[in-house]
Amino acid sequence: GAGVSQSPRYKVTKRGQDVALRCDPISGHVSLYWYRQALGQGPEFLTYFNYEAQQDKSGLPNDRFSAERPEGSISTLTIQRTEQRDSAMYRCASSLGDGFYGYTFGSGTRLTVV
Amino acid sequence: EDKVVQSPLSLVVHEGDTVTLNCSYEVTNFRSLLWYKQEKKAPTFLFMLTSSGIEKKSGRLSSILDKKELSSILNITATQTGDSAIYLCAARGANSKLTFGKGITLSVRP
Repeated sequence: GAGVSQSPRYKVTKRGQDVALRCDPISGHVSLYWYRQALGQGPEFLTYFNYEAQQDKSGLPNDRFSAERPEGSISTLTIQRTEQRDSAMYRCASSLGDGFYGYTFGSGTRLTVV
Repeated sequence: EDKVVQSPLSLVVHEGDTVTLNCSYEVTNFRSLLWYKQEKKAPTFLFMLTSSGIEKKSGRLSSILDKKELSSILNITATQTGDSAIYLCAARGANSKLTFGKGITLSVRP
């Protein structure tokens, strides 16, 4: 697509429920990144993929968080057994590849856990 | 641990003023520094600076990378109300992830 598309835009869920956040990167972009942004803070790295391979998941806060990109295009970030502290803006970005390329960010999914 | 610090955290200027936004970084195996403008939606890419491109300019915006001082500045001349936004600085290390600063909130008053 023309830009990075994320869905849903807003998600309100009850504590303990699982949520799946979707990212559709720019067509042809090899690298896909997930970030989390709290209010008043810069984005915080979670994980990234080159094609379908997860290259780095060091930013995932705990084992309730997981991500996949099975066909090297669309990616899903899953949070199991959500907690209130998971509430944040979750942003996806894509780039042409590793290395000296800028990222293009999506509009994000605002997750609220009540 | 990689770290990026931006200053000031916020500033208010009047239209026509020139502003300088600061960013310092500590990143293992530094590769590049990026500036983004964030309004209501997604951060919008402005510049990327590397060892081979330490100065960039686009219209009223320009940025310089000082590898010796591990810092960068973003200059905006003749500011307009449309420049009001949060400006994010990010540094990339060898592992490809970006480490962001907290951002600088710029408000341009008419």
